Amino acid sequence: AQTVTQSQPEMSVQEAETVTLSCTYDTSESNYYLFWYKQPPSRQMILVIRQEAYKQQNATENRFSVNFQKAAKSFSLKISDSQLGDTAMYFCAFMKLDSGNEKLTFGTGTRLTIIP
Amino acid sequence: DSGVTQTPKHLITATGQRVTLRCSPRSGDLSVYWYQQSLDQGLQFLIQYYNGEERAKGNILERFSAQQFPDLHSELNLSSLELGDSALYFCASSTWTSGYTDTQYFGPGTRLTVL
Repeated sequence: AQTVTQSQPEMSVQEAETVTLSCTYDTSESNYYLFWYKQPPSRQMILVIRQEAYKQQNATENRFSVNFQKAAKSFSLKISDSQLGDTAMYFCAFMKLDSGNEKLTFGTGTRLTIIP
Repeated sequence: DSGVTQTPKHLITATGQRVTLRCSPRSGDLSVYWYQQSLDQGLQFLIQYYNGEERAKGNILERFSAQQFPDLHSELNLSSLELGDSALYFCASSTWTSGYTDTQYFGPGTRLTVL
């Protein structure tokens, strides 16, 4: 079974600064996706970014980028030029492919607060 | 807006009762997933349907059941409710791209409170 670990329960950073959220995972699979989802106070789950395991290039979406280290099973999220709207819970998630069960396995989340 | 809709937004009921949560996936998505988010258990996968057929089961209690209808909307039925069933229930949907399941997009959730 896969496990996802987020070791930072809470973080805070000044507006406009850069922050990195950590995630590690454990799997014996070779074909999978990794995700970061954001859950603001509205409780909506919003996709931030996706990384395919077969891709060596790190995914980027505007101010959000990941550092994917497959051998180390590490998947961190970097938020640049942080904004007040980035305040949210951030969940790292794993999805195995080709399994007949494409469930998401989530970490416990990191609560990020952007300070004005 | 993800394109996934869930009704109702809030539900308050008593122990022992039965409720039905409804989900409409994004247009074109054949897969529907149900997740439960509670304070003590975090985000847990319950069940997945693909084009009307059950595809995978997770930590779903026997008191809970689900189905996906021909129009692809899905319902999650929770019966004999207990206080511990109070949680936020999410539905997500995904499509298939190049033979692989794609990203799951989440609905706004249904907040269930059992009194």
